[in-house]
Amino acid sequence: NAGVTQTPKFQVLKTGQSMTLQCAQDMNHEYMSWYRQDPGMGLRLIHYSVGAGITDQGEVPNGYNVSRSTTEDFPLRLLSAAPSQTSVYFCASSSIRMGRAAKNIQYFGAGTRLSVL
Amino acid sequence: GQNIDQPTEMTATEGAIVQINCTYQTSGFNGLFWYQQHAGEAPTFLSYNVLDGLEEKGRFSSFLSRSKGYSYLLLKELQMKDSASYLCAVRDIGRGGGNKLTFGTGTQLKVEL
Repeated sequence: NAGVTQTPKFQVLKTGQSMTLQCAQDMNHEYMSWYRQDPGMGLRLIHYSVGAGITDQGEVPNGYNVSRSTTEDFPLRLLSAAPSQTSVYFCASSSIRMGRAAKNIQYFGAGTRLSVL
Repeated sequence: GQNIDQPTEMTATEGAIVQINCTYQTSGFNGLFWYQQHAGEAPTFLSYNVLDGLEEKGRFSSFLSRSKGYSYLLLKELQMKDSASYLCAVRDIGRGGGNKLTFGTGTQLKVEL
């Protein structure tokens, strides 16, 4: 099983450049999310989606756009990269079943390590 | 908002037992997760608690007290490969959006000989 696949694994950008981080999952999960991880900050939610055509902002959405045209894919776009966006980016997906017994465990991709110079 | 606290670093000896604590504040608690993250890798799921009490899974156990806003992860018979960061995450039913988690900053565990 592929699970959650992120590409690229590494990327170096210059300030002002744009790029898209790709995320795909093959588990038919409704919920997908993007986090960034910085030293001493933990994982912080950027954007999330509860299904195709539905997205919403997380804790740190500024400078990032997302779309969800299919259940499988949830790309993250940096419109004009800034050094403050240097980070490790993780995509995660889960089911969103109802009820307290539903764990809805989030499964993470391997991450994209981004440096903005 | 939510506040999740866990120690930054811990050191333990191979073969020993270690307890990693997590305290949280939330208005609509709907589950607590523990993840393990080795350096340079993705977080992987370890355990889930939504009701008070202990959940045991092999060498790993997790405990929850909702009234105290407190959880711990217990690792027994420590092995060198257990050296990793352990992340506590809370799901809040009031935050909407299906399955939003708030993560603590993680506890870096070092297992020594």
